Amino acid sequence: DTGVSQDPRHKITKRGQNVTFRCDPISEHNRLYWYRQTLGQGPEFLTYFQNEAQLEKSRLLSDRFSAERPKGSFSTLEIQRTEQGDSAMYLCASSLTYSGVVYNEQFFGPGTRLTVL
Amino acid sequence: AQSVTQLDSQVPVFEEAPVELRCNYSSSVSVYLFWYVQYPNQGLQLLLKYLSGSTLVKGINGFEAEFNKSQTSFHLRKPSVHISDTAEYFCAVSDRSSGTYKYIFGTGTRLKVLA
Repeated sequence: DTGVSQDPRHKITKRGQNVTFRCDPISEHNRLYWYRQTLGQGPEFLTYFQNEAQLEKSRLLSDRFSAERPKGSFSTLEIQRTEQGDSAMYLCASSLTYSGVVYNEQFFGPGTRLTVL
Repeated sequence: AQSVTQLDSQVPVFEEAPVELRCNYSSSVSVYLFWYVQYPNQGLQLLLKYLSGSTLVKGINGFEAEFNKSQTSFHLRKPSVHISDTAEYFCAVSDRSSGTYKYIFGTGTRLKVLA
């Protein structure tokens, strides 16, 4: 068990550029979550997947954001036309949970810190 | 909508003294409760969780928390802190009926342990 990994750990980009982050969950975990954490705040939910299906998206996830989880394994989060307000830590978490049957807590990755200049 | 309040943004405490970090949540619907710790430039590490059963929950590094349904609280305690406990602590709530099980986090409490 290598834990949840995220790549890159840091990303600096210029306003208007596109960026993509990757998350590799714990191998047997069926659920994958994305959160955003701005300075001095707690993480805020963005979206989650059960296997390859994206089942919920927060209103924080504007049209410029898209997330995928092909084949129910790793996930990518893409931000198009970045803005300075997108600067934040993007956290990925995974869990092994089947609604109403099995529940386990979320395990978090180290995060990707995005700075938009 | 569910919300989580951590009233203390910063808590300074001397080494070996006891500490309590407060957490209140907004709704008394059935919930799961968690405390996570975050060290600088790192992700979140689970300290402890309440899923069901005993309202007193023990976690790692000597931390414990008590679930109080009537007061909708889940305060974190440690009887004797160490310098290494200096970090940001987040309380989180997950609605058991939602199916999403997404976390709603508080704004965090920065614990600073003084020598």
